[in-house]
Amino acid sequence: GAVVSQHPSWVICKSGTSVKIECRSLDFQATTMFWYRQFPKQSLMLMATSNEGSKATYEQGVEKDKFLINHASLTLSTLTVTSAHPEDSSFYICSAGKGSKETQYFGPGTRLLVL
Amino acid sequence: AQTVTQSQPEMSVQEAETVTLSCTYDTSESDYYLFWYKQPPSRQMILVIRQEAYKQQNATENRFSVNFQKAAKSFSLKISDSQLGDAAMYFCACNTGANSKLTFGKGITLSVRP
Repeated sequence: GAVVSQHPSWVICKSGTSVKIECRSLDFQATTMFWYRQFPKQSLMLMATSNEGSKATYEQGVEKDKFLINHASLTLSTLTVTSAHPEDSSFYICSAGKGSKETQYFGPGTRLLVL
Repeated sequence: AQTVTQSQPEMSVQEAETVTLSCTYDTSESDYYLFWYKQPPSRQMILVIRQEAYKQQNATENRFSVNFQKAAKSFSLKISDSQLGDAAMYFCACNTGANSKLTFGKGITLSVRP
């Protein structure tokens, strides 16, 4: 199988604090992971591509300093929402694939609520 | 750049009946993969089926099958013997592999009537 986990599944934080979300590929190695944001009833919006051992590639309009991505190993990528504000409240999903053009497997998502 | 279009926002099907979800795409690449993902209320994205563009034979997974028309750039999903558990949002996606990015359609919400 190909299982991707995310932690935490739910997080509530105060405005101005930082939140870290972890994405792990449990039974395969992933040189590339992806981070998405999704609003209710809408499609997934790609935020950035996380590359193991190198800097992440951000999509146009996504603030690099706001959404810090680290891909420290072949099984772990983290997304840190820095100085979170209520408008950052959303559903964040990560995905990982076993190789180029291969199927992307998705984590269960993280619901972030910033008060 | 590639695009994926799902023009129907919602569909409804009677339990045990068959329903077809439409998807068209556009890419300049010759080698690409197409996917249908299901997102139930839990919001976990689940792979339903995938199709390699170089394969002429339509992919099939149990009650799910696709009608892949490469020349028309069409990739529809047929769900046979619909079940209540099929109710979800369905996304069509394309991966050209150039950077492994998936391009998603807007999705379609499928409801199943008992």
